[in-house]
Amino acid sequence: EVQLLESGGGLVQPGGSLRLSCAASGFTFTSYTMHWVRQAPGKGLEWVSGISGSSDSTYYADSVKGRFTISRDNSKNTLHLQMNSLRAEDTAVYYCAKGSDLTFDYWGQGILVTVSS
Amino acid sequence: EMVMTQSPVTLSVSPGERATLSCRASQSLGINLAWYQQKPGQTPRLLIYGASIRATGIPARFSGSGSGTEFTLTISSLQSEDFAVYYCHQYNIWPLTFGGGTKVEIK
Repeated sequence: EVQLLESGGGLVQPGGSLRLSCAASGFTFTSYTMHWVRQAPGKGLEWVSGISGSSDSTYYADSVKGRFTISRDNSKNTLHLQMNSLRAEDTAVYYCAKGSDLTFDYWGQGILVTVSS
Repeated sequence: EMVMTQSPVTLSVSPGERATLSCRASQSLGINLAWYQQKPGQTPRLLIYGASIRATGIPARFSGSGSGTEFTLTISSLQSEDFAVYYCHQYNIWPLTFGGGTKVEIK
């Protein structure tokens, strides 16, 4: 059974940093592109970032480029999202998602990030 | 960036009726289009990929069609569990993008 468990969310002040993690199990982690997708309160879905299985390629939404960094540790089946220079508009539930030909076939339960003073 | 526009924003349908949701892309994306369902308080679920291929375990009442810039999700006979928000998603080019969603509500 595929499981994705996010951690690391919470309240942070504008301009601050936070690192999200996603522990994956139930599939061959190294074989799949992984993604972060977010959803602001009461809003729609927004893809944030993706990383290839070997970490050779990383991709970002324009809204986070230069501020967020995606990475993965294949030895620990873990995905990360380092978020710097956080803004109020980054407030959202962040989902870790397993890629399947660039669709998202499995999602974590999500972790809330609140950026507020 | 590829802009995805969904219509209508809200669709009121009676149980047992047919629902037709639309998604338009700002440029051609072939058939690299997926649909997701999200119920309140739940994570999104993949329904359709490749514009028309049902994901594992998705009932046959869900069907997708279209190519290029115009796509449709049809729910042939709405069940109570189908009232939710539906998102289209293009994966033809980076950055990946979603439509704004269509809420299917009980009439």
